[in-house]
Amino acid sequence: KAGVTQTPRYLIKTRGQQVTLSCSPISGHRSVSWYQQTPGQGLQFLFEYFSETQRNKGNFPGRFSGRQFSNSRSEMNVSTLELGDSALYLCASSLWGTNEKLFFGSGTQLSVL
Amino acid sequence: SQQGEEDPQALSIQEGENATMNCSYKTSINNLQWYRQNSGRGLVHLILIRSNEREKHSGRLRVTLDTSKKSSSLLITASRAADTASYFCATDGTGANNLFFGTGTRLTVIP
Repeated sequence: KAGVTQTPRYLIKTRGQQVTLSCSPISGHRSVSWYQQTPGQGLQFLFEYFSETQRNKGNFPGRFSGRQFSNSRSEMNVSTLELGDSALYLCASSLWGTNEKLFFGSGTQLSVL
Repeated sequence: SQQGEEDPQALSIQEGENATMNCSYKTSINNLQWYRQNSGRGLVHLILIRSNEREKHSGRLRVTLDTSKKSSSLLITASRAADTASYFCATDGTGANNLFFGTGTRLTVIP
């Protein structure tokens, strides 16, 4: 089975722009969750989707949004980028949710200049 | 914040020695997981221990859980240079589909 695929691997944007990150989960996995990792704040939960529905959302501003498609692929969008949004964005998939083993992608490294 | 804390923040040992990392968390949990992250890469799942379990083994890994103290420990025995990585604990928080990660322990194994 192919692993979790995240694209792109690296991204450079400027303040005020918006960005869309993509995540393809392991085949058969219906839960996709997203995390932001920064040196200062560590790993923080963004949101979790299951069967196209957002089941939970972390404590992030509304500029951070996501969606999940019928094939379980997920995208997250960040609008009006700020310097502080520079981070490694990780997605993870599992069969049912975050209370079981998660399989992580390699992440998208976003740099906001 | 429900984020856990790990201790120590960094650990440096010689190959062949054992490494112990500790994790403390704040709220009731259904289970606790440990993950490893090599520099700048995604996380790899190591082990999951449920709230009604006290100890679990997987190869060279041993995890303990003390729910009364809200703490867990990860022991890596006979460490290898390839074990060099950051290690994170993660708790689920009862009744919610989210995961809270600890601050991580950076382990360096010197050949």
